[in-house]
Amino acid sequence: GENVEQHPSTLSVQEGDSAVIKCTYSDSASNYFPWYKQELGKRPQLIIDIRSNVGEKKDQRIAVTLNKTAKHFSLHITETQPEDSAVYFCAAQGGSNYKLTFGKGTLLTVNP
Amino acid sequence: DADVTQTPRNRITKTGKRIMLECSQTKGHDRMYWYRQDPGLGLRLIYYSFDVKDINKGEISDGYSVSRQAQAKFSLSLESAIPNQTALYFCATSAQGIYYNEQFFGPGTRLTVL
Repeated sequence: GENVEQHPSTLSVQEGDSAVIKCTYSDSASNYFPWYKQELGKRPQLIIDIRSNVGEKKDQRIAVTLNKTAKHFSLHITETQPEDSAVYFCAAQGGSNYKLTFGKGTLLTVNP
Repeated sequence: DADVTQTPRNRITKTGKRIMLECSQTKGHDRMYWYRQDPGLGLRLIYYSFDVKDINKGEISDGYSVSRQAQAKFSLSLESAIPNQTALYFCATSAQGIYYNEQFFGPGTRLTVL
């Protein structure tokens, strides 16, 4: 089955700096890669996703890049703000089903 | 607003007890999922269902069972709870007919097994 590795497990940045979280996946047939944000005590919520036929996608301060050859994808947050502090999960959807396999999460702390 | 709800939100039980966690949704989605979240381990899939007559095991189904009572309801049972089942449990839904599978999560149930 699919295996998703996520790094780093914790990340601390100063407000205004950029943050990058990286994930690798094992199943070359995987075709959909969402990122979820989970604030403390809240449910995970989708913040951005990318499909396998696209190399990069941006939404304001958030961007995701995908390298299918290397089987890795990354989340980039620019101009970080304290409200970006949360746990971020990457995930991969297999090519033959609709299941998501999640990474173990990254705790991002943005210091004012 | 259409939503995913879970009951109870918190539950403390004892080893050996049977317990049921319930999930309901008003989003009109056919696909429903149960996940378990443990610190440092991410979200792991327990069971999933793509319609009322379809039930599938996820990566960590041992010790759990599910029931899909209706399109909108999906329950998770622990037949004989044990302490290592202490975790945060999430239900999620997604829409059929959409290949790229955005999932919508419920608020979670925090379960403690003593």
